Amino acid sequence: NAGVMQNPRHLVRRRGQEARLRCSPMKGHSHVYWYRQLPEEGLKFMVYLQKENIIDESGMPKERFSAEFPKEGPSILRIQQVVRGDSAAYFCASSPAGRAADTQYFGPGTRLTVL
Amino acid sequence: QKEVEQNSGPLSVPEGAIASLNCTYSDRGSQSFFWYRQYSGKSPELIMSIYSNGDKEDGRFTAQLNKASQYVSLLIRDSQPSDSATYLCAVPDRGSTLGRLYFGRGTQLTVWP
Repeated sequence: NAGVMQNPRHLVRRRGQEARLRCSPMKGHSHVYWYRQLPEEGLKFMVYLQKENIIDESGMPKERFSAEFPKEGPSILRIQQVVRGDSAAYFCASSPAGRAADTQYFGPGTRLTVL
Repeated sequence: QKEVEQNSGPLSVPEGAIASLNCTYSDRGSQSFFWYRQYSGKSPELIMSIYSNGDKEDGRFTAQLNKASQYVSLLIRDSQPSDSATYLCAVPDRGSTLGRLYFGRGTQLTVWP
């Protein structure tokens, strides 16, 4: 019973490059959430998606960041023209439905380092 | 912006002791509460969820919820060195965009042998 999968686990980019992070939810889960954890800080919500829909992107910076969850394939968080401040751990979580009582299960994360 | 506050720690207890972790939240109407454990360099792992006032026990872990005081705590009995981690309190959004979790900054727990 595979859990939430994320890849790559570690990603190194130079300033100005693009970073593409992938997340496959747990089997049977159709709700995906992305969180960012900056060094020495807590987890911050970025975006909430269902298949082919962005439900809430209020936590995501307006520029350079985008997310999608296509009908087929993983959810992707895309960061264009990365800057050093984007260096962080990016976690994806999934749940079976979007109810407040539903547990969100986290993937192993992608550690992004911007040189 | 919902607020979730945790005692900042770090908290250090000897092996076998009870570790007490506290969390307060700003949204009086919140109904669900989650405790996650995060080892250094790893992802958050669910420890407990609690929805009703009172205590909920699961093995060595007990979650306590007091909605009137907007307070939720996690007790770890017979603490073990393997419990050394950061504990995160999380409260979901109740608004129209259900789903997002608000996290506290976490309390770092060290259990020394």
